[in-house]
Amino acid sequence: GENVEQHPSTLSVQEGDSAVIKCTYSDSASNYFPWYKQELGKGPQLIIDIRSNVGEKKDQRIAVTLNKTAKHFSLHITETQPEDSAVYFCAINNDMRFGAGTRLTVKP
Amino acid sequence: GAVVSQHPSRVICKSGTSVKIECRSLDFQATTMFWYRQFPKQSLMLMATSNEGSKATYEQGVEKDKFLINHASLTLSTLTVTSAHPEDSSFYICSVASGNYGYTFGSGTRLTVV
Repeated sequence: GENVEQHPSTLSVQEGDSAVIKCTYSDSASNYFPWYKQELGKGPQLIIDIRSNVGEKKDQRIAVTLNKTAKHFSLHITETQPEDSAVYFCAINNDMRFGAGTRLTVKP
Repeated sequence: GAVVSQHPSRVICKSGTSVKIECRSLDFQATTMFWYRQFPKQSLMLMATSNEGSKATYEQGVEKDKFLINHASLTLSTLTVTSAHPEDSSFYICSVASGNYGYTFGSGTRLTVV
């Protein structure tokens, strides 16, 4: 399946700061890029996604950017809040293989 | 998106017994469901793709006789961990492909084998 690398593995920010998580992929035919948030003891939840025909998508404090040339896409969380603390996973297409995950901690 | 219900949320069983986990798509007819396994602090690992009315497709390294999958209807897939052992203890999660909304996941089942 598609290889997807996710960085960083852990990220700690102060409340109010921004957080950025990046995923890179190898198959240029990839066309769907979702991000999931997983809270402790729960299943992942889709928080935002982007298709290959756009470069950026925003939903309130969350945004995703896609660079098809460089084959990477990033999750941006602005004005972080303690409730943003969770593990975030990127995925590719309908392959449903996930990045390794990023544990985000927002310190109050 | 779809609403997915997974049951039970946690189960403790004795070594050698079997455990069944249910995944229901409440408002969406799912011809395909997916089963994942997640160890602590690790990513989700796709175990198998459950196909309604036909045999499941297992990922490499996943024992099909150990992890029995039944997808008898468009709203229900079950995963049975047979002859469970402590190393099978994990977090099991199902998901449904929900059209334009990516994938909707169940809430997960924490299996502990003692």
